[in-house]
Amino acid sequence: DTAVSQTPKYLVTQMGNDKSIKCEQNLGHDTMYWYKQDSKKFLKIMFSYNNKELIINETVPNRFSPKSPDKAHLNLHINSLELGDSAVYFCASSRTGLSFRNEQYFGPGTRLTVT
Amino acid sequence: QQQVKQSPQSLIVQKGGISIINCAYENTAFDYFPWYQQFPGKGPALLIAIRPDVSEKKEGRFTISFNKSAKQFSLHIMDSQPGDSATYFCAASKNNAGNMLTFGGGTRLMVKP
Repeated sequence: DTAVSQTPKYLVTQMGNDKSIKCEQNLGHDTMYWYKQDSKKFLKIMFSYNNKELIINETVPNRFSPKSPDKAHLNLHINSLELGDSAVYFCASSRTGLSFRNEQYFGPGTRLTVT
Repeated sequence: QQQVKQSPQSLIVQKGGISIINCAYENTAFDYFPWYQQFPGKGPALLIAIRPDVSEKKEGRFTISFNKSAKQFSLHIMDSQPGDSATYFCAASKNNAGNMLTFGGGTRLMVKP
């Protein structure tokens, strides 16, 4: 069984479009994250989210918005896509609490290409 | 400003050799330091992690060495195997920051048979 899954795996779209990436975890975790990995493999946190709190990395444009219908899902919606948004986006999840902090489980990634 | 700096960017090691990857951090509020391993086309996976109250942690062939005063930590892979060929990321996080990880730039390791 896949612990953290993402759909779609590949997404090709044109500039200016709005798109969403879906993420689901079946680990019973209560915190989920979105990361962006650029062409140079650099990984950068975008959001951290649990039922009570959304923490946004201040460098993320407000065109990006996470939406969580429930604890097991955290979707990423992107408005007005730009060429620079092309990257691989990873969803991750973890439990909260100091003993589990940051044992994050990553999904397989969604490769977004904006043309 | 990159808060976690990782070196080298790439590393080639012969099978059976020791692979060493280094990281340095700036923020003294960081209190958790994991290493992640990523294979092509896959998401990163936690390899080993350390907290600053210990100077070393070993799990099988993988060891983290931590130097709090120098704000540096490193990953040592003993008896490196071709199957270890992957990209390795160090990371750091601080309490009360949403558990968000700040990653180093990554090291692409190739272990030659």
